[in-house]
This record gives sequence, C-alpha cells and structure tokens, in this order.
Amino acid sequence: QQQVRQSPQSLTVWEGETAILNCSYENSAFDYFPWYQQFPGEGPALLIAIRSVSDKKEDGRFTIFFNKREKKLSLHITDSQPGDSATYFCAASESGGSNYKLTFGKGTLLTVTP
Amino acid sequence: GGIITQTPKFLIGQEGQKLTLKCQQNFNHDTMYWYRQDSGKGLRLIYYSITENDLQKGDLSEGYDASREKKSSFSLTVTSAQKNEMAVFLCASSIGPNSGNTLYFGEGSRLIVV
Repeated sequence: QQQVRQSPQSLTVWEGETAILNCSYENSAFDYFPWYQQFPGEGPALLIAIRSVSDKKEDGRFTIFFNKREKKLSLHITDSQPGDSATYFCAASESGGSNYKLTFGKGTLLTVTP
Repeated sequence: GGIITQTPKFLIGQEGQKLTLKCQQNFNHDTMYWYRQDSGKGLRLIYYSITENDLQKGDLSEGYDASREKKSSFSLTVTSAQKNEMAVFLCASSIGPNSGNTLYFGEGSRLIVV
C-alpha cells in the first residue's frame, strides 16, 4: 500500500511561474512532512519541512501548505527558476523516540523552461 | 558539515552473484539507512540501523543483508543479484528521530546486473 502519494508525476512550468506540487497521505499518525529535492546524479537533500501543528511553512520562494483534515499538503515554488529543475519527494514520518522510518512518495519531476 | 561516501559508484555483476555496497559517514550520526530508488517508484527502505551493532528490516529487505560494522559504516549485500535488481541504492544517515529525522544522503551506487 502506498502511504504517501504525489501528483503530478511530472510538471513543466515557464521561468517565473509558480509550480505547485501535491502530496497526500493515509496514516493519521504522520506528523512530520519533509520535502526533499534531488538533482540528477545526486542524492536527495532536505529542502523544507513542516509539522502537523502548522498549516504553512515558508522559506524564501518555497512554501508548504498543509491541510490536516484532508491529509493533503502542497509545495509551492514561486518565481520558478531553471535551477529549480529537479525531482521533488514528499515524505512523512511519526515523531517520537522510537520511530526512525521516513516514508517517501514516488516524486514529481519538475522542469522549468527558460 | 559532513559527507556520506558510497562505494562503488557503479557496481556491475552477474545474475546470481553476491554483491556488496559500502557506505561511510563522518557526521558522527547514530542512525544509518539503505534505500533503493527505482525510476518512477520513489525511495523504498531496505534496512536501517539505529546505532552500532543494531539492524532493522525495512519494507524491502528480502534478498538483502546488511551489516553495521562500526558507527561510521554501513554495508548492504545483495545476496543473489537479479536483472530486476538494477536500481540506484542510496545510503543516508541521521542523528535520530528527535531531530525531526533529517536524512543526509550519499550520491548513490548504481547496480547493473548482466
């Protein structure tokens, strides 16, 4: 069963537009949601993260919007740049001293066209 | 800062062969992970190790063995390589769940089975 789902699978936007990447989850116990960015030939790297007590987290051009009731979140990338072209993974985990597992979605491949 | 070093970057083996991937980290992190990345399938957890000498199975452990030789190193063995095994294997480390469980990834090792 796929606990974290992402859409769309791929997305192309023009430079300067806002890219919106979607994520949903099934496990109500998930309360920590990081987004990882991966460039070709590299490992994923943490981009931005949100905890379920918040409904919005902003870091520069990157913003996460979180809807706990609907179990959905989205990553908005404003003023998209060609350097933002990468694969973005939504992930989820439960907080707590005994939980070490991070569950990833399948990723969204973002292409920003100049 | 620190770094995750995975060796080899490319591993070519024959079907049925036992193959080993190695990972070293100098973050001094307690927890280490092995993920498998297949195109279009995201990242799936194979094994993780909470601390030295610990080993925990992930969602995809069948067909693999792992060994945490010391705090800084974690190896993964494909017990009998199959052609559908060709994927990128990602090693990661983290301080642990209380930090929000940020994972730091290596660049990956690509397995090619001929």
